[in-house]
Amino acid sequence: DGGITQSPKYLFRKEGQNVTLSCEQNLNHDAMYWYRQDPGQGLRLIYYSQIVNDFQKGDIAEGYSVSREKKESFPLTVTSAQKNPTAFYLCASSRTDWDFYGYTFGSGTRLTVV
Amino acid sequence: AQTVTQSQPEMSVQEAETVTLSCTYDTSESNYYLFWYKQPPSRQMILVIRQEAYKQQNATENRFSVNFQKAAKSFSLKISDSQLGDTAMYFCAFMTRLNYGGSQGNLIFGKGTKLSVKP
Repeated sequence: DGGITQSPKYLFRKEGQNVTLSCEQNLNHDAMYWYRQDPGQGLRLIYYSQIVNDFQKGDIAEGYSVSREKKESFPLTVTSAQKNPTAFYLCASSRTDWDFYGYTFGSGTRLTVV
Repeated sequence: AQTVTQSQPEMSVQEAETVTLSCTYDTSESNYYLFWYKQPPSRQMILVIRQEAYKQQNATENRFSVNFQKAAKSFSLKISDSQLGDTAMYFCAFMTRLNYGGSQGNLIFGKGTKLSVKP
């Protein structure tokens, strides 16, 4: 079955470390997205990519970086510059960035700073 | 700025009853899509229903229906015959297409309404 796989499900980071969250899709979707979810805040866009080798900053990109070297993959790196990284991270994809079918989401990664 | 407002942080309903979740949005664009997503305790985001802004007819999907009022920029979700499995966070979202043909590039979400269905 096609879908989006996020790994790991739980991730612990020490202060000052960079960590990378994986997102892989086999839906042949062109567009991919990273959202951060905090209690009471809804979902906020970190980065998105409409095509391979291209990506744009979202509303809260500071302290994060991404790459899009393959259509299927859109990893997110949480750098030490991100002051409050503890959150739930959701990856999503869509056929294009204007898609009435909406987005397909992964099952998320819970990141905790220890 | 384009925003989505869900004014009810939490709601509860008895099993088999009907509940309506409210959503308002703000955009200057005329062409957009609207969505309701459900996030159960598993935290998997699931698309519940969608609506095209240029269609006046309200969308329905089984027990789920919307009341879309374009002039008022309102997009409420009605759940009929509520079931225990409907317990979840519900997020309203919209996606705009800019008038010159570009795109917003992302879904804009409200902060969510936590719905509890009680037996």
